[in-house]
Amino acid sequence: AQSVTQLDSQVPVFEEAPVGLRCNYSSSVSVYLFWYVQYPNQGLQLLLKYLSGSTLVKGINGFEAEFNKSQTSFHLRKPSVHISDTAEYFCAVTPFQGAQKLVFGQGTRLTINP
Amino acid sequence: GAVVSQHPSRVICKSGTSVKIECRSLDFQATTMFWYRQFPKQSLMLMATSNEGSKATYEQGVEKDKFLINHASLTLSTLTVASAHPEDSSFYICSARAPGDWVTEAFFGQGTRLTVV
Repeated sequence: AQSVTQLDSQVPVFEEAPVGLRCNYSSSVSVYLFWYVQYPNQGLQLLLKYLSGSTLVKGINGFEAEFNKSQTSFHLRKPSVHISDTAEYFCAVTPFQGAQKLVFGQGTRLTINP
Repeated sequence: GAVVSQHPSRVICKSGTSVKIECRSLDFQATTMFWYRQFPKQSLMLMATSNEGSKATYEQGVEKDKFLINHASLTLSTLTVASAHPEDSSFYICSARAPGDWVTEAFFGQGTRLTVV
């Protein structure tokens, strides 16, 4: 079984400041990793994903994440945030094999203040 | 990217009535769709996996007779909340994967906010 832990439930940041959102996972098998963003009352949109290869993954809206296998982490970051980045961010994993189910972390609410 | 449309976006119903939520893949065929439930300020919890032409696979603790799933075609899955009660009020989200492309992203509907009064 897999589990995902997002260490920060809320992150307030000033506009144009850098931000980092933490994600750690646990799994007995190899997994693919994802970050999704959810705007109020909407579904989820994929920010980026790690499947294989380079551990630094770049996504949409200027976000990037780094996969660290030894630390079982997949932290998300952005060098300069905008008001429009205010949303809920979810880290998720799915195992290489078997059911195609996504297991989500608890989510991190990112609030950008002017 | 592929589009998944969910309808309705909001529904208010009286306790004891049933509510149907539709999830459609608009530009691809989805052999598998997933239904999630999200409580306020919480994460998404997988309720069931919907497979076209066969019975859905429910997660532990999810009542099959309460949450009825039908995946009658490659582009449509429905979730019916039977005899809804206030505790069923929640945000329901579906997602789908394109066949042969399972390892990449799952496409999500915009969600349905159900309020049972």
